[in-house]
Amino acid sequence: NAGVMQNPRHLVRRRGQEARLRCSPMKGHSHVYWYRQLPEEGLKFMVYLQKENIIDESGMPKERFSAEFPKEGPSILRIQQVVRGDSAAYFCASSRTGTPSTDTQYFGPGTRLTVL
Amino acid sequence: KNEVEQSPQNLTAQEGEFITINCSYSVGISALHWLQQHPGGGIVSLFMLSSGKKKHGRLIATINIQEKHSSLHITASHPRDSAVYICAVRGTDKLIFGTGTRLQVFP
Repeated sequence: NAGVMQNPRHLVRRRGQEARLRCSPMKGHSHVYWYRQLPEEGLKFMVYLQKENIIDESGMPKERFSAEFPKEGPSILRIQQVVRGDSAAYFCASSRTGTPSTDTQYFGPGTRLTVL
Repeated sequence: KNEVEQSPQNLTAQEGEFITINCSYSVGISALHWLQQHPGGGIVSLFMLSSGKKKHGRLIATINIQEKHSSLHITASHPRDSAVYICAVRGTDKLIFGTGTRLQVFP
C-alpha cells in the first residue's frame, strides 16, 4: 500500500508564474489536508478537502491560492502569479474517515517550492 | 501567545540518555499528535492520543487532558533519533502545530 504521494518534489518558478502541486492520498483515503511550512517556521494548516468538496479553507490566503480534490485524480494546490514569499515546503496529508479523535493523518514527502 | 507551545526549542543529548519533550496547549482538542520531521524534511506520524499513554518501541507519549499537557519521552536515545519533534492538536478539522523541538543526539 503506497503512502501519500506528492509531485513534484521540487518546483522552481519565476515570479508571476503558476505553480501546481499534486497530492495522491493513500488508497482508501478520501480526506486530504494541505499544510505549508515557511523557511524556519512551523507548519500551518491551509485547507481540508473531501472528494469534490472543500470542508475548511480557513488557512488559505485570500488571493492567488486555490485547491481542489476531484472525483478522479489527485488533489491539486494551485498558486497563481507566485511571489518570493510563496517559497516554502507544501505538505499534503490524507486520512480515511476524517473523524478528529480517531483518524491518523499520513503525510506526504512534501513539495519544495522555490520562487526566483 | 501560541495555541500550542513546546519546550525545549532545542535539545542536545548523549547517546543513551532519556529524553523528554513537553507540549502545552490552550484550546479544546479531540486529539493530540506527535510528529517527527527528519533532516531531509519528511514527516512521520508517531502517535495520536486522546487520553492516557501510548508506547511504541523506545518512544512513549502521555497526555493529561485536564492540565492540557503532553510529553514525548525517548528512552535510550540514539543518534538516529536526531530530528525535529512536532506536537500538533486537532479540534474539529485542522491541526494546529507547535514550532517543534530540534533534538540532536551525539554518539
